[in-house]
Amino acid sequence: EAGVAQSPRYKIIEKRQSVAFWCNPISGHATLYWYQQILGQGPKLLIQFQNNGVVDDSQLPKDRFSAERLKGVDSTLKIQPAKLEDSAVYLCASSLGGASTKSEAFFGQGTRLTVV
Amino acid sequence: GENVEQHPSTLSVQEGDSAVIKCTYSDSASNYFPWYKQELGKGPQLIIDIRSNVGEKKDQRIAVTLNKTAKHFSLHITETQPEDSAVYFCAAKPPTGGSQGNLIFGKGTKLSVKP
Repeated sequence: EAGVAQSPRYKIIEKRQSVAFWCNPISGHATLYWYQQILGQGPKLLIQFQNNGVVDDSQLPKDRFSAERLKGVDSTLKIQPAKLEDSAVYLCASSLGGASTKSEAFFGQGTRLTVV
Repeated sequence: GENVEQHPSTLSVQEGDSAVIKCTYSDSASNYFPWYKQELGKGPQLIIDIRSNVGEKKDQRIAVTLNKTAKHFSLHITETQPEDSAVYFCAAKPPTGGSQGNLIFGKGTKLSVKP
């Protein structure tokens, strides 16, 4: 079974520039998450999708971050404009979804963003 | 909201010894507690989990215990091997939201197993 695919693996941009990350979840997984992992910390949820609808985006800095999941499969996360404190690894995860208590979340390898 | 504290931040053990990592959580209504292993350059991988209706769960060399009264849970790794070296994260799922991915993570424990 193919895992969660993310691209690019690494990205270096200057502050105030824009950047986009792409995620392809495991086939058949209805729920998709974007997490931000700052160096030395645990992942922090940014946004959760159920199919193509947003379930939770309470911790997404909406003035600069946006995410979409058109057609309920792939997703993109965008930062515009980037700040130095956005330097982190951005992890995408997916799960079967719904209220099932057996729905494990699988993580991709992440995109390491460096803002200079 | 939920808050998860994890200790220690670093742990060094000799190969063959046991390792214990402890976490506390603040929301007594949290009902799912997974542990993830993250190797350098990779995403977190689930290694074991426990639900609030169970006190202990074991899978070969790995075990997790949950004390709901004290609101803490622990990861136990026995007979450690060099390949166990990684960063381990505990997490808790608050009661809101249906899916397992809406997790609050601890800050991680860097485990080093010396041959």
